[in-house]
Amino acid sequence: QITLKESGPTLVKPTETLTLTCSFSGFSLNTGGEGVGWIRQPPGKALEWLALIYWHDDRRYSPSLKSRLTITKDTSKNQVVLTMTNMAPVDTATYFCAHRRVAPGTRDFDYWGQGTLVTVSS
Amino acid sequence: QSALTQPASVSGSPGQSITISCTGTSSDVGGYNFVSWYQQHPDKAPKLIIYEVSSRPSGISDRFSGSKSGDTASLSISGLQAEDEADYYCSSYTDITTDLVFGGGTKLTVL
Repeated sequence: QITLKESGPTLVKPTETLTLTCSFSGFSLNTGGEGVGWIRQPPGKALEWLALIYWHDDRRYSPSLKSRLTITKDTSKNQVVLTMTNMAPVDTATYFCAHRRVAPGTRDFDYWGQGTLVTVSS
Repeated sequence: QSALTQPASVSGSPGQSITISCTGTSSDVGGYNFVSWYQQHPDKAPKLIIYEVSSRPSGISDRFSGSKSGDTASLSISGLQAEDEADYYCSSYTDITTDLVFGGGTKLTVL
């Protein structure tokens, strides 16, 4: 059974760097085909894909946020970490991590964490 | 990149059928069969209900179906039930980022 859970600060100040951790179980990022992504959702708004990392360390980023994002993995801890620099109030959102469904060419997510709300305010 | 275009809202009565559209371009929806649909209830995580245009994950009711024509994908829900009231998001592979893009979401109201 695959599970994921996000953790990190609930409140950050403008210009600070956000660090979120996704802890997962039921699969390994040492296994071919596996990937974990981050998606966010501002209150009352749509989903926005942020970043993704694959088992072989291939990393993908949203073009609009690429300069501010870094995604890394720690396979020994079964964790994926997302950092976002220079946070602003518009970055207030629920941040989800999710498991990429394993299949050739697929881009969807079949398991999601519960999400963590991050508020950016001074 | 721009989000895929979905209607902001749709509605239907119990037992009826509805369709939600998702319009993109040849760089995403029209060019690839990697369209997915997610259902999201309030304050819950999204749930994958359709992948690769028309396939359903295990456990998803066959009342949900997906299709695609040109640059527009569609999600159909038959026999509407009160529990279907939720937000629905499409997503697609895009060759602009070689990953994915989401639609703006559609709120389904069951009257």
